[in-house]
Amino acid sequence: QKEVEQDPGPLSVPEGAIVSLNCTYSNSAFQYFMWYRQYSRKGPELLMYTYSSGNKEDGRFTAQVDKSSKYISLFIRDSQPSDSATYLCAMSGSSYDKVIFGPGTSLSVIP
Amino acid sequence: DTGVSQDPRHKITKRGQNVTFRCDPISEHNRLYWYRQTLGQGPEFLTYFQNEAQLEKSRLLSDRFSAERPKGSFSTLEIQRTEQGDSAMYLCASSSLAAGVYNEQFFGPGTRLTVL
Repeated sequence: QKEVEQDPGPLSVPEGAIVSLNCTYSNSAFQYFMWYRQYSRKGPELLMYTYSSGNKEDGRFTAQVDKSSKYISLFIRDSQPSDSATYLCAMSGSSYDKVIFGPGTSLSVIP
Repeated sequence: DTGVSQDPRHKITKRGQNVTFRCDPISEHNRLYWYRQTLGQGPEFLTYFQNEAQLEKSRLLSDRFSAERPKGSFSTLEIQRTEQGDSAMYLCASSSLAAGVYNEQFFGPGTRLTVL
């Protein structure tokens, strides 16, 4: 079993839809939970991070962490074609530790 | 441009050849990380440095791989006797090491290696 599991998709939604992306993990030592966005032929860029359990909102993006279930989610409201990318969930044990990534979900937002 | 830079962006080599990649981190970032990403997968951790000290190496880093960060500035990743399975995107990231805050890792654009 991999440390971090994520549905690879691809996921295709119409513009304006609400997108839900999810990951599960097995290592209870993870304390920081991140979502990265990666465009084709580019390095990943950090969208949001959450420390421990709870919710965090940033504009159209909401991240949720449920440590008891070892489950994290990213919601994108009012999705835009510019949101089309691969979304990587990621985790680490501390604020400066190596990051363990999921395989990524490919998202296409159709105008 | 003050972001992480990597050179070259693309490298095509024949099996058995040696290759070296360079990463220039964001200025004054203490930590520098190397990851490898294959098609359809997320980045996998290879190794990281704090200043010039290499603090952790993944079991993915076979003895054909070596990384250095002389003087705690830029870093190089060398692969000796390349194999077709080494074909991947090699990503470098850097972060500061400040107490009490989340130390975001900033990624470079990567070096895409193709081994023929």
